[in-house]
Parts: sequence; structure tokens; C-alpha cells
Amino acid sequence: GAVVSQHPSWVICKSGTSVKIECRSLDFQATTMFWYRQFPKQSLMLMATSNEGSKATYEQGVEKDKFLINHASLTLSTLTVTSAHPEDSSFYICSAPGGWYNSPLHFGNGTRLTVT
Amino acid sequence: QQQVKQSPQSLIVQKGGISIINCAYENTAFDYFPWYQQFPGKGPALLIAIRPDVSEKKEGRFTISFNKSAKQFSLHIMDSQPGDSATYFCAARGGGNKLTFGTGTQLKVEL
Repeated sequence: GAVVSQHPSWVICKSGTSVKIECRSLDFQATTMFWYRQFPKQSLMLMATSNEGSKATYEQGVEKDKFLINHASLTLSTLTVTSAHPEDSSFYICSAPGGWYNSPLHFGNGTRLTVT
Repeated sequence: QQQVKQSPQSLIVQKGGISIINCAYENTAFDYFPWYQQFPGKGPALLIAIRPDVSEKKEGRFTISFNKSAKQFSLHIMDSQPGDSATYFCAARGGGNKLTFGTGTQLKVEL
């Protein structure tokens, strides 16, 4: 149980375009989801907390106008990288707590974004 | 105060040996300490986790040792196998279910 699905698994886009990444909880509902960013051979850095029915909360230093988050339903959160630049190239990973009290975070398989 | 320090950065162990990865934290408000295993190009997968009121937890070949007074915890992988070769992250959970990750340990198990 507690499967988190992320789509696409990889995407290549041109500078200046926008890219949307989807994160779905497949067998449970998630009022909260988390978006992380990971550079090669580095740790995961929390970007923002996605809240169903309300605005996302962003970590310090993360541009909310660049990384748009929408938590449209109890099973879907999306991250849109707007006006992408090569420095936005990274591995983006979403996570959600399982559907039971005090459950651990389960992660999707990530999206490799390459901006050319 | 939100940092979680992890060591070593990389580790090479012979097949059948014990792999040990250590983590330390400062924030006493952390209430849950999971370990994640990550293979290249994949998201992290929960391996084992412990709460601060427990000193040790074992699941198969994986054991977490937790020292609350020292604010340290470690992962032991017994009988390490080549399939265990991956990057391991310790983490600590704070308010709002947010995880703070350690810097990661790249483990290689050699035949």
C-alpha cells in the first residue's frame, strides 16, 4: 500500500517553456504532499508543502512564482516549473504520508527535468 | 538546528560484511527517524524507521540503533550483499511532517 506515482519520469524542455509534473497517491488520500529537489550526488531538499484546498507553503529561498504548486484533489498535486532555465535542471521528487495516522513519508520515483 | 549530519560520505564493504552509517542531529523536537534507500534514477524507498523512545529496531538484516542522549542514530546492514549497493539517507521528522535529510552515504558492496 501507500504508493505514490509521479509523471513524467523524465522530461526535456527548452529554456523559457513551462513543465508540469504530476504526483498522485494511488491507494490513499493525501491532504498534504511534499515536493523535493535533488541535484546529482546530493541530498533531498524540501521545496514546498502542497496543501489540498489551500495555498502551498514554500521553503525559504524557493521562488513560488517559478515553482507553481496546485493540490487539486486529495490524490493529486502538481508542480509547474515556469519559464524554465538550464539551472532548473534537476531531479524533482514528491512524497506523501500514507493514509494512516503518523504514517511515514512515501516517495514517488522522481522526475528528471532537463532544460536545454 | 535543522541539520542532520551523516557519515561516511561513501563506504565500501565486502560481501557478507557489516555496513554502518551514522547520523547525528541537534533538534530535540524531531520525533521520528527513518532511513531511506535510493537507487540511481529512482525515488527514495523507506527502509526502516525508529521513534526516539526506542533504542534499537531490527528488521531482517537492517538494524537502527538510537542514542537519545547523544542525539545520534545509526544504520547497520548485516551480511551486506551487492544488491544493497545504493545511496542511503537518514532523516528526521519535525513539525508539519517535514523531513530533514542527511547528506547521504553511497554504499558499494563488493564481491
